[in-house]
Amino acid sequence: GAVVSQHPSRVICKSGTSVKIECRSLDFQATTMFWYRQFPKQSLMLMATSNEGSKATYEQGVEKDKFLINHASLTLSTLTVTSAHPEDSSFYICSARDVTSGGADTQYFGPGTRLTVL
Amino acid sequence: EDKVVQSPLSLVVHEGDTVTLNCSYEVTNFRSLLWYKQEKKAPTFLFMLTSSGIEKKSGRLSSILDKKELFSILNITATQTGDSAVYLCAVKETSGSRLTFGEGTQLTVNP
Repeated sequence: GAVVSQHPSRVICKSGTSVKIECRSLDFQATTMFWYRQFPKQSLMLMATSNEGSKATYEQGVEKDKFLINHASLTLSTLTVTSAHPEDSSFYICSARDVTSGGADTQYFGPGTRLTVL
Repeated sequence: EDKVVQSPLSLVVHEGDTVTLNCSYEVTNFRSLLWYKQEKKAPTFLFMLTSSGIEKKSGRLSSILDKKELFSILNITATQTGDSAVYLCAVKETSGSRLTFGEGTQLTVNP
């Protein structure tokens, strides 16, 4: 149980284009999902918290107009990187909060999306 | 500002060795501490610790939390090459469910 998928796993795009990344909780409902980015040899940096049916909460320094987050259902959140530039190249990871797993409140991570902007 | 510090940042051992990874934290409203293992892709969940002094075990891995001294350790006994990974420590606060991650410890187990 507690499987989170991400699609695509890898994407290469040209500078100026937009890229959408999907995050799905496959066997549980996630009212809250999180989006992280990770640069090589660095830890995960939280970008935003995505709440189903409401606006996402962005961390300081993260441009909400550049990183559009939509959490339209209890199992799906999307991150759209708009007008991507080479400096947006990174590993993007989502996690979904499972509050039903035996009473524990645990986040489960998707496999990540490697974005390369040329 | 919340802070999670892991040490060492990097560790190289031989198969069969026992390792101890450290995580100290400074957060305003601590709720729980989590350990994750990250190999090539996204982190996989290992342990969640909420109470002091209660050891959690899973096979050769174990972890314990000290809320007075604000740290946790992750022990791996009889290490194997498959244990090679980055081990991440994260802290959750009482308000909301966001995690603050440490930098991670890169563990390399040589045959």
